[in-house]
Order: sequence, then C-alpha cells, then structure tokens
Amino acid sequence: NAGVTQTPKFQVLKTGQSMTLQCAQDMNHEYMSWYRQDPGMGLRLIHYSVGAGITDQGEVPNGYNVSRSTTEDFPLRLLSAAPSQTSVYFCASSYLGAGASYEQYFGPGTRLTVT
Amino acid sequence: DAKTTQPNSMESNEEEPVHLPCNHSTISGTDYIHWYRQLPSQGPEYVIHGLTSNVNNRMASLAIAEDRKSSTLILHRATLRDAAVYYCLRGGSNFGNEKLTFGTGTRLTIIP
Repeated sequence: NAGVTQTPKFQVLKTGQSMTLQCAQDMNHEYMSWYRQDPGMGLRLIHYSVGAGITDQGEVPNGYNVSRSTTEDFPLRLLSAAPSQTSVYFCASSYLGAGASYEQYFGPGTRLTVT
Repeated sequence: DAKTTQPNSMESNEEEPVHLPCNHSTISGTDYIHWYRQLPSQGPEYVIHGLTSNVNNRMASLAIAEDRKSSTLILHRATLRDAAVYYCLRGGSNFGNEKLTFGTGTRLTIIP
C-alpha cells in the first residue's frame, strides 16, 4: 500500500511552459485534492474532486486545470507557468460518505520553481 | 476569511504536556474541528478530529469547549518528533462539497 504518490519531486520550468504534476492513490478514496504551499504560509486549495468525472474549484484555481478519469489518478496541469506559481504542491485523498473520518492523506509534495 | 485563529508559535519542554489552542468563534452547528500537523519538509498528516465531545487517539486528545467556539489539542508528553506546524481547521459537515482551508498554523518548538 503506497498511499499517495506524487511525481516529480522537483521541477524547474521556464515562464510560459506547461507541465502536469502527477498524483495517484491506491486506497480507493473518492475524494482527492490539490493544495499549494508558499514559503511560510499555510496550504491553499487549488482544485478537488469527489469522484471520477467530477471536479470543482478551490480557493486559487486560476492557471491550473484538473481532470479525474479514474478513481486512482488526479493530475494537475499548469497551462502556462508563471513565477507566481513557484510553490510546493501537495496532493491529498480521503474517503467520503457516512461514517468517514474525513482524514486526508497527503503525498510528499512536488517542489516547483518557475524562472 | 480567517475561519480559525491560532497563535503563531509556542514552545514546550520535552516530556511535558502541550496545549495548543484554537478559536473558531463562527463555527456552525455541523462543522467538525480537525487538526493536522506538518513536520519539516513533509506533507501534512492527520492528527485528530471531533464534533462536540472530547476525543482521544494514539497521537493526541482534543478538548472542545461546550459552546464549540474554541478547542485545544493536547499532546500528553511532547517528544522532539512533535516539533511541527499544527493546523486547526473547521468544516467537513458536507465534506467533498466544501473547501477545507488551512491557516498559517502554530509552529511548535520542543526544547530538549
């Protein structure tokens, strides 16, 4: 049971480039989400999903796209990278439904630098 | 929108109890209170959550005020491994259809 995995661990992009951050979980969790954490700050929610085919925006969705074609995977796409998107990105997953503990499991993070 | 308020930092001696406070004066009747912690260079990890009654698990205890406008995370015997940023969140009554938000948390330093 690998939990929540994220790739890559580190990435450097030039302004205007696009890329996809990968997130996968093997716990059959319905709920998955993406957060960003800027230096010295808390986490801010970018997008989330309550199941395959269903996504919604969080606090800071601009500049990012997501899709959820399977329960296991929830990739985050940066459309045209900007220096303001330099951050650490965390993916998380959780069960939903009656009796769920709402405990979110977080991945190890992807450190992204945009120059 | 500051849904919870926590002190920026706290210090505690190793092997002593730690009480981390959180104010959530605008909490709704169905909001849960969640605590996560983030060790250096790691993703957050779940600590505990509760609704009305006090809760205990292997990591910590959660004491919730009777009016639910505040709560306290209790680490019964702090170790150096407990040095982390602790986040208090409220929400989850309609989990998956709302946006759980993390504030800046409390940075806990453990003194050997």
